[in-house]
Amino acid sequence: SQKIEQNSEALNIQEGKTATLTCNYTNYSPAYLQWYRQDPGRGPVFLLLIRENEKEKRKERLKVTFDTTLKQSLFHITASQPADSATYLCALDTGFQKLVFGTGTRLLVSP
Amino acid sequence: NAGVMQNPRHLVRRRGQEARLRCSPMKGHSHVYWYRQLPEEGLKFMVYLQKENIIDESGMPKERFSAEFPKEGPSILRIQQVVRGDSAAYFCASSPSSGGVTDTQYFGPGTRLTVL
Repeated sequence: SQKIEQNSEALNIQEGKTATLTCNYTNYSPAYLQWYRQDPGRGPVFLLLIRENEKEKRKERLKVTFDTTLKQSLFHITASQPADSATYLCALDTGFQKLVFGTGTRLLVSP
Repeated sequence: NAGVMQNPRHLVRRRGQEARLRCSPMKGHSHVYWYRQLPEEGLKFMVYLQKENIIDESGMPKERFSAEFPKEGPSILRIQQVVRGDSAAYFCASSPSSGGVTDTQYFGPGTRLTVL
């Protein structure tokens, strides 16, 4: 069966450290993979998109990798700040105009 | 440029009533998507619409749920005869174009439906 798995346990890190979140999937062949941030009571906010033929994408303190052999994406936030605390969602895009979301990982950055 | 707008933000209905959720996409966007998020679960795709057309409704329950995106006005997600299991956050997203690949989707703030 098709699955998208993100670590359901919250990730607690100290300010200034690098946060690394994982997204694994099975039985999908995504054309794209996207990462979103969601704060409590709000809609998801788009962060980064990476294509199947790209290994890595960066935007300011964010970095995403995409390994189609391992069927895994890693999402990194360097020099993390308390304001980065939120739930981060990965979403697969198989090219048919609908996103398939993971359940998200909650990140808590302590001062 | 205003973002995706949804109203109401919170909606309370009694079992058996109708719920009507509205979504105005970002200016210049002609594609609308509806997702549902149950507590402690991920967002689940429901339906994808373009103006006056339903493109993909594979995620919509077969009964009681319908969606439209008329030529003029917002997209509407309608839930008839609501049941307690319909309680969830309903998110609308929009994107500017198609062409065979999915553009970035921009999400609204959601409508939180509570069925008593």
